[in-house]
Amino acid sequence: DAGVTQSPTHLIKTRGQQVTLRCSPKSGHDTVSWYQQALGQGPQFIFQYYEEEERQRGNFPDRFSGHQFPNYSSELNVNALLLGDSALYLCASSLAGPGTHQYTFGSGTRLTVV
Amino acid sequence: DQQVKQNSPSLSVQEGRISILNCDYTNSMFDYFLWYKKYPAEGPTFLISISSIKDKNEDGRFTVFLNKSAKHLSLHIVPSQPGDSAVYFCAAAANFGNEKLTFGTGTRLTIIP
Repeated sequence: DAGVTQSPTHLIKTRGQQVTLRCSPKSGHDTVSWYQQALGQGPQFIFQYYEEEERQRGNFPDRFSGHQFPNYSSELNVNALLLGDSALYLCASSLAGPGTHQYTFGSGTRLTVV
Repeated sequence: DQQVKQNSPSLSVQEGRISILNCDYTNSMFDYFLWYKKYPAEGPTFLISISSIKDKNEDGRFTVFLNKSAKHLSLHIVPSQPGDSAVYFCAAAANFGNEKLTFGTGTRLTIIP
């Protein structure tokens, strides 16, 4: 049973560039959430997608945007990269409905902005 | 504003003894709490959870205790094993169902053989 798959695993970008990170949810899951984990910190919620729409959003600027496709996979886009965007980006999938907090996380994409 | 706090960045425990990891929260809207374990180069994996209507939940070697009045929860691991060495994150959510998780900063647990 495939879990959550994220690509790429590592990425190096230059300040000002744009980046797209990808996530395939666990089989049977229909909701995708994205988190940013800076070094030494806990994961911080970016946003959540369900039925191809952004359902919830954390305290992140509009430079962070996303998309969910009909097959439930998702992309996270970050524009005008800043050095402070360097972090581990985690994708988590779940099944919509009451009592769903047991997200399955991917291994993450390590983004380095230079 | 750190709404979920894990004040111990690290903890070392002898194999076979009890490991106790602590977590405090400030947001009264939180009513569901989870513990995740994270190994290097892997995503967090769910360990155990507790709803605010309970004060204890047990799963094998892992027990989570919730003290709502003190806004405090703890994770007990008994007996501790070398494979338990990892970073442990406490997380909290409001409501009940697919709500965003607010994480603490984590505690690195090292089990000494």
